[in-house]
Amino acid sequence: KAGVTQTPRYLIKTRGQQVTLSCSPISGHRSVSWYQQTPGQGLQFLFEYFSETQRNKGNFPGRFSGRQFSNSRSEMNVSTLELGDSALYLCASSLGQGWDNEQFFGPGTRLTVL
Amino acid sequence: GENVEQHPSTLSVQEGDSAVIKCTYSDSASNYFPWYKQELGKRPQLIIDIRSNVGEKKDQRIAVTLNKTAKHFSLHITETQPEDSAVYFCAATRGGQGGKLIFGQGTELSVKP
Repeated sequence: KAGVTQTPRYLIKTRGQQVTLSCSPISGHRSVSWYQQTPGQGLQFLFEYFSETQRNKGNFPGRFSGRQFSNSRSEMNVSTLELGDSALYLCASSLGQGWDNEQFFGPGTRLTVL
Repeated sequence: GENVEQHPSTLSVQEGDSAVIKCTYSDSASNYFPWYKQELGKRPQLIIDIRSNVGEKKDQRIAVTLNKTAKHFSLHITETQPEDSAVYFCAATRGGQGGKLIFGQGTELSVKP
C-alpha cells in the first residue's frame, strides 16, 4: 500500500497570504490528523477528522482550518499568514476511530513565511 | 490542559551503551502511550507503544515502562547502535474518540561509534 502523501512538499509565502496544504491518507484509513512541527514547540496537534467530521481541535487560532472529503483526503488552510507559521506541517492517518491506533505520518509540507 | 514533559532534550551515548528517555503526563485519564522515532529529514514512525493495563513492554532492544501512579513512562534502548541516532518523541492520549495525541518536546539521541 502506498503511504501517506502530502502536497506540496515545500511552500514559500509572504505574510498576509493564505495557503492550502493537502494530505492523502493510506487507502482505507478514515482518520486524518494534522500537526505543526517547529524546533521550539515540537509536535503540536492541530485537528483531527474522521468521516468528514472534525472531531477535535488543538489550541490554534481560527486562521487554521481544515476539512476532509468523502474519499478521506484532507486539506488544511492557513489564512493571513504570519512569520510564526513557518513550520513543517505533518498529517497522519490511522485505520480506526480511536487514538490508540497507530498513526502513519506523511513526509510533511515545509512552509516558509517571509 | 493536557501536557507531556520529556527529558532529556539531548542525549549522547557511546555505541553499546543503554539510553533512557523519560516522560511525564498530566492527564490521569491517558491510557495509550506511543513512542515515535524521527530520523533527520524523515517522517516520525511508531517504534513501540504501551497501554495503561500493562506495566512494561519489550521489543528486541527497546522497552517501555509505565508507572500510572506517578504518571511516568520511559523508553529504554539497550546495546545502542549508530542507526539509533534520531529524535524520539513520547506521546499520551486518552484513546477512544474525541481525544488528541499530546507529544513531548522530543529527545535528540546521538550514538557515537
